[in-house]
Amino acid sequence: QVQLQESGPGLVKPSETLSLICTVSGDSISGHYWSWIRRPPGKRLEWIGYTHSSGSTDYNPSLKSRVTMSVDTSRNQFSLNLNSVTAADTAVYYCARGSTGAYGPWGQGSLVTVSS
Amino acid sequence: EIVLTQSPGTLSLSPGERATLSCRTSQSVSSRFFAWYQQKPGQAPRLLIYGASSRATGIPDRFSGSGSGTDFTLTISRLEPEDFAVYYCQQYGSLPGTFGPGTKVDI
Repeated sequence: QVQLQESGPGLVKPSETLSLICTVSGDSISGHYWSWIRRPPGKRLEWIGYTHSSGSTDYNPSLKSRVTMSVDTSRNQFSLNLNSVTAADTAVYYCARGSTGAYGPWGQGSLVTVSS
Repeated sequence: EIVLTQSPGTLSLSPGERATLSCRTSQSVSSRFFAWYQQKPGQAPRLLIYGASSRATGIPDRFSGSGSGTDFTLTISRLEPEDFAVYYCQQYGSLPGTFGPGTKVDI
Protein backbone atom coordinates (compact mmCIF):
# COMPACT_ATOMS: atom_id res chain seq x y z
CA GLN A 1 0.00 0.00 0.00
CA VAL A 2 1.49 3.28 -1.13
CA GLN A 3 1.58 6.00 1.52
CA LEU A 4 2.72 9.61 1.33
CA GLN A 5 3.63 11.88 4.23
CA GLU A 6 4.37 15.58 4.10
CA SER A 7 6.86 17.17 6.48
CA GLY A 8 8.22 20.64 7.04
CA PRO A 9 7.80 23.82 9.08
CA GLY A 10 4.26 24.80 9.96
CA LEU A 11 5.18 28.50 10.14
CA VAL A 12 7.10 30.54 7.59
CA LYS A 13 7.84 34.26 7.68
CA PRO A 14 6.76 36.54 4.84
CA SER A 15 9.33 36.87 2.03
CA GLU A 16 11.04 33.63 3.09
CA THR A 17 11.00 30.22 1.41
CA LEU A 18 8.47 27.53 2.17
CA SER A 19 10.06 24.08 2.00
CA LEU A 20 8.22 20.79 2.25
CA ILE A 21 9.24 17.18 1.75
CA CYS A 22 7.01 14.27 0.82
CA THR A 23 8.20 10.82 1.82
CA VAL A 24 6.83 7.92 -0.19
CA SER A 25 6.55 4.43 1.28
CA GLY A 26 5.27 1.22 -0.26
CA ASP A 27 6.41 2.10 -3.77
CA SER A 28 9.49 3.35 -5.55
CA ILE A 29 9.47 7.00 -6.40
CA SER A 30 11.18 6.16 -9.68
CA GLY A 31 9.08 6.00 -12.79
CA HIS A 32 6.17 8.02 -11.43
CA TYR A 33 5.00 11.61 -11.51
CA TRP A 34 4.52 13.35 -8.17
CA SER A 35 2.57 16.51 -7.52
CA TRP A 36 2.00 19.19 -4.93
CA ILE A 37 -1.51 20.57 -4.45
CA ARG A 38 -2.68 23.12 -1.90
CA ARG A 39 -5.89 24.47 -0.43
CA PRO A 40 -5.84 27.98 1.02
CA PRO A 41 -8.44 28.51 3.76
CA GLY A 42 -11.90 28.93 2.25
CA LYS A 43 -10.64 28.41 -1.29
CA ARG A 44 -10.42 25.58 -3.79
CA LEU A 45 -7.74 23.01 -4.27
CA GLU A 46 -4.96 24.39 -6.45
CA TRP A 47 -2.40 22.36 -8.38
CA ILE A 48 1.10 23.72 -7.74
CA GLY A 49 3.13 21.49 -10.02
CA TYR A 50 4.63 18.08 -10.63
CA THR A 51 8.03 16.46 -10.79
CA HIS A 52 9.30 13.15 -12.14
CA SER A 53 12.23 10.99 -11.16
CA SER A 54 13.75 11.81 -14.56
CA GLY A 55 14.00 15.41 -13.42
CA SER A 56 11.21 16.80 -15.55
CA THR A 57 8.90 19.33 -13.94
CA ASP A 58 5.91 21.46 -14.78
CA TYR A 59 4.38 24.19 -12.69
CA ASN A 60 1.16 26.14 -12.47
CA PRO A 61 1.78 29.34 -14.45
CA SER A 62 0.40 31.36 -11.55
CA LEU A 63 3.24 30.13 -9.31
CA LYS A 64 5.92 29.22 -11.82
CA SER A 65 8.27 32.09 -11.02
CA ARG A 66 8.46 31.07 -7.34
CA VAL A 67 8.34 27.26 -7.39
CA THR A 68 11.01 24.59 -7.53
CA MET A 69 10.40 20.85 -7.19
CA SER A 70 12.84 17.98 -7.15
CA VAL A 71 13.11 14.25 -6.47
CA ASP A 72 15.58 12.42 -4.23
CA THR A 73 15.44 8.80 -5.36
CA SER A 74 17.93 7.64 -2.72
CA ARG A 75 15.55 8.72 0.03
CA ASN A 76 12.33 8.04 -1.89
CA GLN A 77 11.32 11.64 -1.34
CA PHE A 78 10.33 14.65 -3.39
CA SER A 79 10.30 18.28 -2.35
CA LEU A 80 8.65 21.63 -2.84
CA ASN A 81 10.27 25.02 -2.48
CA LEU A 82 8.13 28.14 -2.79
CA ASN A 83 10.01 31.40 -2.37
CA SER A 84 8.99 34.95 -1.52
CA VAL A 85 5.90 33.76 0.34
CA THR A 86 3.08 36.01 1.49
CA ALA A 87 -0.01 35.45 3.59
CA ALA A 88 -1.77 34.31 0.41
CA ASP A 89 0.44 31.20 0.47
CA THR A 90 -1.06 30.06 3.77
CA ALA A 91 -2.67 26.73 2.96
CA VAL A 92 -2.84 23.02 3.58
CA TYR A 93 -0.24 21.53 1.27
CA TYR A 94 -0.76 18.01 -0.08
CA CYS A 95 1.57 15.75 -1.97
CA ALA A 96 0.10 13.15 -4.32
CA ARG A 97 1.05 10.69 -7.04
CA GLY A 98 0.18 11.87 -10.52
CA SER A 99 1.05 14.63 -12.93
CA THR A 100 -1.85 16.73 -14.13
CA GLY A 101 -4.82 14.88 -12.64
CA ALA A 102 -6.41 11.70 -11.32
CA TYR A 103 -4.20 11.94 -8.26
CA GLY A 104 -3.91 9.00 -5.97
CA PRO A 105 -2.87 8.39 -3.30
CA TRP A 106 -2.50 11.69 -1.42
CA GLY A 107 -0.70 12.60 1.75
CA GLN A 108 -2.65 13.71 4.80
CA GLY A 109 -1.73 17.33 4.22
CA SER A 110 0.50 19.82 6.02
CA LEU A 111 -0.78 23.18 7.21
CA VAL A 112 1.69 25.97 6.47
CA THR A 113 0.98 29.42 7.86
CA VAL A 114 2.81 32.48 6.56
CA SER A 115 3.10 35.02 9.34
CA SER A 116 5.70 37.12 11.07
CA GLU B 1 -8.36 28.54 -16.84
CA ILE B 2 -11.46 26.35 -16.74
CA VAL B 3 -13.83 27.02 -13.84
CA LEU B 4 -15.80 24.17 -12.29
CA THR B 5 -19.16 24.61 -10.56
CA GLN B 6 -20.61 21.90 -8.35
CA SER B 7 -24.23 21.52 -7.31
CA PRO B 8 -25.78 21.28 -4.90
CA GLY B 9 -23.44 22.73 -2.30
CA THR B 10 -24.87 20.39 0.30
CA LEU B 11 -26.92 17.24 -0.18
CA SER B 12 -28.82 15.96 2.83
CA LEU B 13 -29.76 12.31 2.47
CA SER B 14 -30.17 9.12 4.47
CA PRO B 15 -28.30 5.82 4.25
CA GLY B 16 -29.70 3.69 1.46
CA GLU B 17 -30.75 6.67 -0.65
CA ARG B 18 -29.33 7.59 -4.05
CA ALA B 19 -27.04 10.60 -4.36
CA THR B 20 -26.59 12.52 -7.59
CA LEU B 21 -23.83 15.14 -7.67
CA SER B 22 -23.30 17.51 -10.56
CA CYS B 23 -20.23 19.29 -11.89
CA ARG B 24 -20.32 21.79 -14.72
CA THR B 25 -17.26 23.19 -16.49
CA SER B 26 -16.94 26.66 -18.02
CA GLN B 27 -15.57 25.13 -21.24
CA SER B 28 -15.90 21.73 -22.84
CA VAL B 29 -13.54 19.14 -21.37
CA SER B 30 -12.54 15.77 -22.77
CA SER B 31 -14.13 13.08 -20.61
CA ARG B 32 -10.74 11.34 -20.65
CA PHE B 33 -9.48 14.03 -18.31
CA PHE B 34 -12.16 14.28 -15.64
CA ALA B 35 -12.00 12.96 -12.08
CA TRP B 36 -13.94 12.79 -8.84
CA TYR B 37 -12.50 12.65 -5.30
CA GLN B 38 -13.91 11.99 -1.86
CA GLN B 39 -12.60 13.65 1.28
CA LYS B 40 -13.61 12.95 4.87
CA PRO B 41 -12.73 15.25 7.78
CA GLY B 42 -9.10 14.92 8.79
CA GLN B 43 -8.32 12.57 5.91
CA ALA B 44 -6.56 12.87 2.59
CA PRO B 45 -8.65 13.15 -0.58
CA ARG B 46 -9.25 9.79 -2.27
CA LEU B 47 -9.55 9.27 -6.00
CA LEU B 48 -12.91 7.73 -6.87
CA ILE B 49 -13.35 8.15 -10.61
CA TYR B 50 -11.01 9.03 -13.47
CA GLY B 51 -11.70 9.37 -17.17
CA ALA B 52 -15.19 10.50 -16.13
CA SER B 53 -16.46 6.95 -15.63
CA SER B 54 -13.63 4.60 -14.61
CA ARG B 55 -13.55 3.59 -10.97
CA ALA B 56 -10.18 3.81 -9.25
CA THR B 57 -8.70 0.72 -7.61
CA GLY B 58 -10.75 -0.50 -4.66
CA ILE B 59 -13.70 1.81 -5.20
CA PRO B 60 -17.07 0.05 -4.68
CA ASP B 61 -19.39 -0.27 -7.66
CA ARG B 62 -22.08 1.83 -5.96
CA PHE B 63 -19.99 4.80 -7.18
CA SER B 64 -20.40 5.65 -10.84
CA GLY B 65 -19.45 8.59 -13.01
CA SER B 66 -20.84 9.84 -16.27
CA GLY B 67 -20.94 12.88 -18.49
CA SER B 68 -19.23 14.68 -21.31
CA GLY B 69 -18.63 18.14 -22.67
CA THR B 70 -19.44 20.52 -19.84
CA ASP B 71 -21.71 18.38 -17.65
CA PHE B 72 -20.54 15.55 -15.45
CA THR B 73 -22.28 13.50 -12.76
CA LEU B 74 -21.21 11.35 -9.84
CA THR B 75 -23.86 8.91 -8.64
CA ILE B 76 -23.80 6.92 -5.42
CA SER B 77 -26.48 4.29 -5.89
CA ARG B 78 -27.13 3.46 -2.23
CA LEU B 79 -25.48 5.58 0.41
CA GLU B 80 -23.52 3.76 3.06
CA PRO B 81 -22.68 5.49 6.39
CA GLU B 82 -19.04 5.85 5.30
CA ASP B 83 -20.04 7.77 2.14
CA PHE B 84 -20.97 10.92 4.02
CA ALA B 85 -18.14 13.23 2.98
CA VAL B 86 -17.21 16.06 0.63
CA TYR B 87 -16.85 15.27 -3.07
CA TYR B 88 -14.71 17.25 -5.50
CA CYS B 89 -14.57 17.19 -9.27
CA GLN B 90 -11.47 17.98 -11.30
CA GLN B 91 -10.71 18.59 -14.95
CA TYR B 92 -7.20 18.05 -16.23
CA GLY B 93 -7.65 18.27 -19.97
CA SER B 94 -6.78 21.93 -20.04
CA LEU B 95 -3.80 22.91 -17.97
CA PRO B 96 -3.60 23.92 -15.24
CA GLY B 97 -6.01 21.32 -13.98
CA THR B 98 -8.72 22.84 -11.82
CA PHE B 99 -11.02 21.63 -9.06
CA GLY B 100 -14.59 22.31 -8.12
CA PRO B 101 -15.58 23.81 -4.75
CA GLY B 102 -17.05 20.54 -3.49
CA THR B 103 -20.42 19.05 -2.60
CA LYS B 104 -20.97 17.97 0.98
CA VAL B 105 -23.10 14.87 1.39
CA ASP B 106 -24.47 14.72 4.90
CA ILE B 107 -27.21 13.08 6.86
